[in-house]
Formats: sequence, structure tokens, C-alpha cells
Amino acid sequence: GQQLNQSPQSMFIQEGEDVSMNCTSSSIFNTWLWYKQDPGEGPVLLIALYKAGELTSNGRLTAQFGITRKDSFLNISASIPSDVGIYFCAGQLTSGTYKYIFGTGTRLKVLA
Amino acid sequence: DGGITQSPKYLFRKEGQNVTLSCEQNLNHDAMYWYRQDPGQGLRLIYYSQIVNDFQKGDIAEGYSVSREKKESFPLTVTSAQKNPTAFYLCASRATGAEGYTFGSGTRLTVV
Repeated sequence: GQQLNQSPQSMFIQEGEDVSMNCTSSSIFNTWLWYKQDPGEGPVLLIALYKAGELTSNGRLTAQFGITRKDSFLNISASIPSDVGIYFCAGQLTSGTYKYIFGTGTRLKVLA
Repeated sequence: DGGITQSPKYLFRKEGQNVTLSCEQNLNHDAMYWYRQDPGQGLRLIYYSQIVNDFQKGDIAEGYSVSREKKESFPLTVTSAQKNPTAFYLCASRATGAEGYTFGSGTRLTVV
């Protein structure tokens, strides 16, 4: 099955730094979702994006729906230790199907 | 509190045995999903159900079976035909018309 490419695969950052990650595909998506997964737990929805160019924030998190509709970006500002985890993007190819293709994940580790 | 419960958290299976993973939700969601997660990969869809007594194969259904006799329950059976069953299994549900899933906390299956 198709998967989305996320980068970077993993990153170590210092507490207080900003973080950027992205998700790219050769396909056009109608909806982008960003999830965070804590170790040994299920993913939790962070942000949902519905339109090309849309920029949405959730606290220190900001995500953007790429203009080409083939990519999406997630930024975390002023990282804290509890930001550690795996961040997944998920894209819906066809509106209304509610079937998502998930990215390979970005593993974030924050050094205090 | 409403939520989605997976059990057990950890499961060990001998080769050649079938094993059933439980997923129960009290969110009154119509749709339920089973995903498999392997290290370094995105979530891959095994089976999904939009309504009671109906379910469809996902991208990697071979070696798995499901049932949806009740709205609240969507058990997954990993059969002996699944050649590489060791993985982290995630169950999810979705409310009608809602984007994004609510995930359970997962079951880690290990074949010994």
C-alpha cells in the first residue's frame, strides 16, 4: 500500500528550540491530519487541515496544508521534554472516504 | 469517560496458533478500524467496518479476520496464516462525518 514520506526520520533537539518536520507525496490529498504517539500508546490527533494553503495552530503547534496539496508541514515552537514522541502525518486521497494513508513518522527527542 | 479499550496490552503467541485481539468502544462511533504498526513504518490498514455486520479488507488483510456483531466491538483474529504477526496493533474508531480517528492504546503481539 501507499505510504507518505516524512522527514526527518528522527531528530534530537535542545529544550526551547523550534522543530520543523514535513510530509510529502506524489499524490494530491484533500485532508491532512497530524498525530502524536507517545511510547506504547495510540496516536492522538493534533491538527486537521482541509484546504490548500491552510495554516492552523494548536498551542505551540502549527501545521500547514501545502499549496500543491502534495505536502504538509508541522512546526513546534519552544519545545519542552513532553514533546518527545513520534509525529505522524496522515492524508486522505478522496474526500468522504475517511480512509487515510499514514506517514512513516518523525521520532522527536528533546534534550533538557 | 468515553473511550476505546484494547486488550490485552501485551500478548505472546506460539507459532501456528490463532489469537484474538479485543477492541471495545463506548463512544457510539459507527466506524472502526484495525491498523498494524511496525518499527520505522507508518500505520497500515488491516480491516475496517463502517457499520455493524459489515467490514472491508484494508491493504494488508491476508492472515487476519474480523467480525462486527455489535457496534461497540471489533475483534481482530491473527491467524496462523499470517507469516509475520509480531507487531503493534492499533484499533481506532470514528464518529460519522468526523475527520480523524480516536485510537486505542494498542496491543503488542509477539510470536515466540
